[in-house]
This record gives sequence, C-alpha cells and structure tokens, in this order.
Amino acid sequence: GENVEQHPSTLSVQEGDSAVIKCTYSDSASNYFPWYKQELGKRPQLIIDIRSNVGEKKDQRIAVTLNKTAKHFSLHITETQPEDSAVYFCAAANSGYALNFGKGTSLLVTP
Amino acid sequence: DVKVTQSSRYLVKRTGEKVFLECVQDMDHENMFWYRQDPGLGLRLIYFSYDVKMKEKGDIPEGYSVSREKKERFSLILESASTNQTSMYLCASSLEALGNTIYFGEGSWLTVV
Repeated sequence: GENVEQHPSTLSVQEGDSAVIKCTYSDSASNYFPWYKQELGKRPQLIIDIRSNVGEKKDQRIAVTLNKTAKHFSLHITETQPEDSAVYFCAAANSGYALNFGKGTSLLVTP
Repeated sequence: DVKVTQSSRYLVKRTGEKVFLECVQDMDHENMFWYRQDPGLGLRLIYFSYDVKMKEKGDIPEGYSVSREKKERFSLILESASTNQTSMYLCASSLEALGNTIYFGEGSWLTVV
C-alpha cells in the first residue's frame, strides 16, 4: 500500500518567518494530496489540497507544491503567525477511498 | 456545515470489555472512516465503509470490527479491549468520489485499564 513520509516531525519558527513541511509518497498512482491542520484538542481540518495535474496551488499565506517525478509534495506557510501553531498532516490517495496520512509535523510559531 | 458527531468523548474501560464507539454524520456522505491517532504515529486507518453494510479493512484492523447498518452511522467495536488499544479514535466521512474533503469528528479518547 501507499507509504507517506513526512518531515520534520517538529518545527519551530519565529513569527513572520516561513515554514516548510515536506512529504514523500511511494505509490506513483497517487493523485490527490491534501493537508490537514489539527489544533490542540481539536479535530483535523483540511487547509489545502492539490491534485496530480497541478504543480502548485496557493491560498493566501499557504501554498502547496507537487513534484510527481520525485514523488514529493510540500506545504509552505509564509508570514507565520502564532495561530499557525498546530500539528500538520499530509496525506496521499489514489483511486482508493481512504487517505494515507504522514505522521504529522508539530509546528510552533513563537512571537 | 458538515457535522460528524462522536457520541462519547472520553471513555475508561476495563481489559476484556466490549467497547462500542458510535459516529453519526448528517451530510448524507457515502464514505465513513475510523482512524486511530497516537503520538508520533499520525493517523492510521482502522476500517472504512463506502456504503451501507459494506466495509473494508484499513492498515490496522486487528482487534476491531465495524458496523454500518444505516448510511449516517458507523460504529467501531473493540471485541475485547486491551491496554494497547488506549488511544484517540477519530471518525470521519466524505462524499463518494476521491478528492472530496474528509470531515473529522471531535474524537473519542479511550483509556483501557
């Protein structure tokens, strides 16, 4: 099955800096790559996703890039704010129904 | 707004007990999922269902079973709870096609003593 690896496991940045989280996947048939954010004590929520026919997608301070040849995708957060502090999960899926998640990155944004 | 409701937020059960975790969604979603979340291990899929009475094993189905008698309800069953099943359990749902957003419930914290 699909194996998704996510790095780093923890990331600390100063407010205003950028944060980058990287994921790799093993199944070349995967074609859907969402990112979820989980604040402390809350449920994971979708923040952005990308499909295999697109190389990059942006939504305000958040962007995701996809390199299908290398089988990796990344989340970029610019101008980080304390409220960006959370655990971020990447995921990948192909024609199956369920997502395969990475192990998560704990992001801490310090004022 | 999509709502996925897990009836029990916090449970403490004894080893060997049969445990039921209930999940209900109100958006007529075809797909429903049970994930387990443990520190450092991320979200691991236990079972999912793409239709009433249909179920598929995920990555870690051992020690669990599921039931989906109605479209809106998906139950996770621990036949004989063990201490290594102490975890956070997350239910989720989505529309049928790949690429539709998966919506999570608030989670159920289960402690097995």
